[in-house]
Amino acid sequence: QLQLQESGPGLVKPSETLSVTCTVSGGSISSSSYYWGWIRQPPGKGLEWIGSIYYSGITYYNPSLKSRVTISIDTSKNQFSLELRSVTAADTAVYYCARPPVGATLDAFDIWGQGTMVTVSS
Amino acid sequence: QSALTQPPSASGSPGQSVTISCTGTSSDVGAYNYVSWYQQHPGKAPKLMIYEVSKRPSGVPDRFSASKSGNTASLTVSGLQAEDEADYYCSSYAGSNNLVFGGGTKLTVL
Repeated sequence: QLQLQESGPGLVKPSETLSVTCTVSGGSISSSSYYWGWIRQPPGKGLEWIGSIYYSGITYYNPSLKSRVTISIDTSKNQFSLELRSVTAADTAVYYCARPPVGATLDAFDIWGQGTMVTVSS
Repeated sequence: QSALTQPPSASGSPGQSVTISCTGTSSDVGAYNYVSWYQQHPGKAPKLMIYEVSKRPSGVPDRFSASKSGNTASLTVSGLQAEDEADYYCSSYAGSNNLVFGGGTKLTVL
């Protein structure tokens, strides 16, 4: 059974770079044609799609975050990662990694990690 | 401000039906049949309940149904049960490889 697990720093200082990694277990990240995604949720607020990456490395980003985001994939480690630069308190959120259902691309996510809370504070 | 508009709250008694709306524009909900719905319990990751407007993933009860008309999508929960109390979010493909979410609706089972 496919499982996703996020890992992150917990606390990041303003203006620095937030880095979160998603480790995929129970299946190969490159064995199927999936777009692996990142979604975040500020405390008490709604969901926001950050971006998605294809197993080949093709990336798509939320236009509102595009200038600060890089998503990468490491098939040898069965991981994909998120970097968010120049963070502010507004980037404080639970960061989720997720995978779409079979046949979908980046329009839905049916397998989610448990999320990792990242707080931006000095 | 979220791209898709949902009512902040909805409620119903056990056994009743409740419908949650999700209003977008002709550039997202109205343009594509890629509307999804998620259920989220406190402290948990979202769970996909509906995708591609009305498809249910395996394991989702058929009490959950959804549809779309114009720029508005709707999720209906029939035969409300206590465990249906949660936050519900809609999302829609918005073209140009972009995905947008609604602000969420808190469903209370009275």
